[in-house]
Amino acid sequence: ELKVEQNPLFLSMQEGKNYTIYCNYSTTSDRLYWYRQDPGKSLESLFVLLSNGAVKQEGRLMASLDTKARLSTLHITAAVHDLSATYFCAVDPNTDKLIFGTGTRLQVFP
Amino acid sequence: DAGVIQSPRHEVTEMGQEVTLRCKPISGHNSLFWYRQTMMRGLELLIYFNNNVPIDDSGMPEDRFSAKMPNASFSTLKIQPSEPRDSAVYFCASSLSSLGNTEAFFGQGTRLTVV
Repeated sequence: ELKVEQNPLFLSMQEGKNYTIYCNYSTTSDRLYWYRQDPGKSLESLFVLLSNGAVKQEGRLMASLDTKARLSTLHITAAVHDLSATYFCAVDPNTDKLIFGTGTRLQVFP
Repeated sequence: DAGVIQSPRHEVTEMGQEVTLRCKPISGHNSLFWYRQTMMRGLELLIYFNNNVPIDDSGMPEDRFSAKMPNASFSTLKIQPSEPRDSAVYFCASSLSSLGNTEAFFGQGTRLTVV
C-alpha cells in the first residue's frame, strides 16, 4: 500500500525566511502533484511534476522531484503572509489515482 | 468551464437518514474521484471512476456508502444510513488522464454534519 508522508506537519515561520517542506513516498512513481488548501476552502493545484529531476517554480514557491529517492520538496523563498495555508503533496502510483500526504500547515508571521 | 460542481455545499442530517451528495465533473474529463477529509484521517480516497466505470472502491468505508456515475457528467455518493462519524467534508475531483498527467481538479466540497 502506498504511503505518502510529509514533514513537517506544522510550520511556523517568519516573513522573509526560507524553508523546505518534504514529501516522501513508498512506491515507484514519476507523477507527483502539489496542492494548496486555504482554511474552509477547496484544494488548488500548484505544481505538476512528471519526471525525475523535474523542477517547477511559481513566485516564491519551487517544487522538485527525485523519483529515485522517492522524494519531492517544496521550497519557500522569502515567505510572506499570503503563503499561509496547508500544502499537500499527492502521488499517482501509475494507477491514475492520487494518494495524498498528511499535509503541512504553514503559518507565516511578521 | 465552471469547474467541478458539487451540491449541496452544506448538509446537516439526523443519524439514520439517507444522504446523497452530487457532483458534476469538468466537461471532457474521464476520471472522477470522491475524497473525504477529516482532521483525524486527512484526505482519504473513497472511490474513483474512469469512463463512468468504478475502478477502485477499496476506500469506501462500509456498505453504508455507495457511489454511482450514470453518465459522464454526473456522479452521486450516497450514505444510508448516516452516522455521526460520517461527518466530514466530501470532495469530488475530476481529471483528464493524458500523456501521464493525472492532475485532479477539485470541487468546493460538501460539508456533512450528522447529528
